[in-house]
Amino acid sequence: QMQLVESGGGVVLPGRSLRLSCAASGFTFSSYAMHWVRQAPGKGLEWLATVSYDGATTYYADSVKGRFTISRDISNNTLYLQMNSLRPQDTAMYYCARDMEKWLQLGEWFDTWGQGTPVTVSS
Amino acid sequence: EIVLTQSPATLSLSPGERATLSCRASQSVGSQLAWYQVRPGQPPRLFIYDAYKRATGIPGRFSGSGSGTDFTLTIASLEAEDFAVYYCQHRSNWSPGYTFGQGTKLEIK
Repeated sequence: QMQLVESGGGVVLPGRSLRLSCAASGFTFSSYAMHWVRQAPGKGLEWLATVSYDGATTYYADSVKGRFTISRDISNNTLYLQMNSLRPQDTAMYYCARDMEKWLQLGEWFDTWGQGTPVTVSS
Repeated sequence: EIVLTQSPATLSLSPGERATLSCRASQSVGSQLAWYQVRPGQPPRLFIYDAYKRATGIPGRFSGSGSGTDFTLTIASLEAEDFAVYYCQHRSNWSPGYTFGQGTKLEIK
């Protein structure tokens, strides 16, 4: 059974950093592009970043480019999101998602999602 | 950057009725469009991709149509579990990345 489990969320002061993790199981992690998406309270979905299946290519939304870094560790089937210079408007539920197709750089669509990890940026 | 505009913002219907949700792109996106359902306290779920293809496990009462700039998600006969928020999403190779619409809330009348 495919599963994604996020962790690492919490309450953090503005300007600080946080690293989110997403543990993958039930599928060949190294074959799929992976994504991070967030949803702020009362707001819609926002795509943040994608890493290609081989980790060679990354893509970012303009809102997080230069502050967030997506990466993957195939040895332990884990996806990461390093978040620096956090702002109150980064407060949201953060989801990782698997792409539906194998062997892609950018990916196609997001067919498996974790339950999310909440991040609150507040003083 | 392509903008996706969903309408209506809220749709109030009764179980058994037909629902029609719209997603309009600011420029042509071909068939590069998906629909997701988000229920309270749940992660998003892929329902439709490539504009009209149903994802695994999605009931036949859900259908997607459209191409270019105008897309529709139709639910033929609403069931209780269908009341949720629906988002359309575009995938772009030109400015690599993804865009979501602002969502349509489907609520029980």
